[in-house]
Amino acid sequence: GDSVTQMEGPVTLSEEAFLTINCTYTATGYPSLFWYVQYPGEGLQLLLKATKADDKGSNKGFEATYRKETTSFHLEKGSVQVSDSAVYFCALDTGANSKLTFGKGITLSVRP
Amino acid sequence: DAGVIQSPRHEVTEMGQEVTLRCKPISGHDYLFWYRQTMMRGLELLIYFNNNVPIDDSGMPEDRFSAKMPNASFSTLKIQPSEPRDSAVYFCASRKTGNTEAFFGQGTRLTVV
Repeated sequence: GDSVTQMEGPVTLSEEAFLTINCTYTATGYPSLFWYVQYPGEGLQLLLKATKADDKGSNKGFEATYRKETTSFHLEKGSVQVSDSAVYFCALDTGANSKLTFGKGITLSVRP
Repeated sequence: DAGVIQSPRHEVTEMGQEVTLRCKPISGHDYLFWYRQTMMRGLELLIYFNNNVPIDDSGMPEDRFSAKMPNASFSTLKIQPSEPRDSAVYFCASRKTGNTEAFFGQGTRLTVV
């Protein structure tokens, strides 16, 4: 079945550090890929997405490139801020049944 | 639009009591999802509906859990009887066919003591 694997957390970084959060997937067909973010006390919200191979999703300084050859969708940001502290979820949707499959999520803490 | 609205935001109940969680999806969205989030298991899909019809309830943990969607603007998730291991944050989400983004409510934090 479809699955998403995220790197183990938590991750703690200093402000302005470079961020990479790894995500790999297993799916039939050609899924759409997503990163969702959950700020403390809130629900998940879409951060960025990519719908086909080699697409790059970007938002708020975050980027992720859909790599079909490595079945990956790693999230990167060049300079993190304290306000980026949150839980980040990688997800996929094959479109076959319209449900999103989420990874376990990873907690990012950015210290001043 | 006000987004996906869940109620209550917090619920504390005693073991054995019935608990009902409520969700109002975004108008025009034809898919509705119920998720449960815990530290141990992360985010789990419990059940989802399409046009008010349950499509997949394989994630519902036990018969104590049930969900209904009587109309396009309202859904409930009921736990009867509740147990301490049901303590979690329960999220409702909705999306529209053809639009790949799912919108989440703010969640209901359930504590069963």
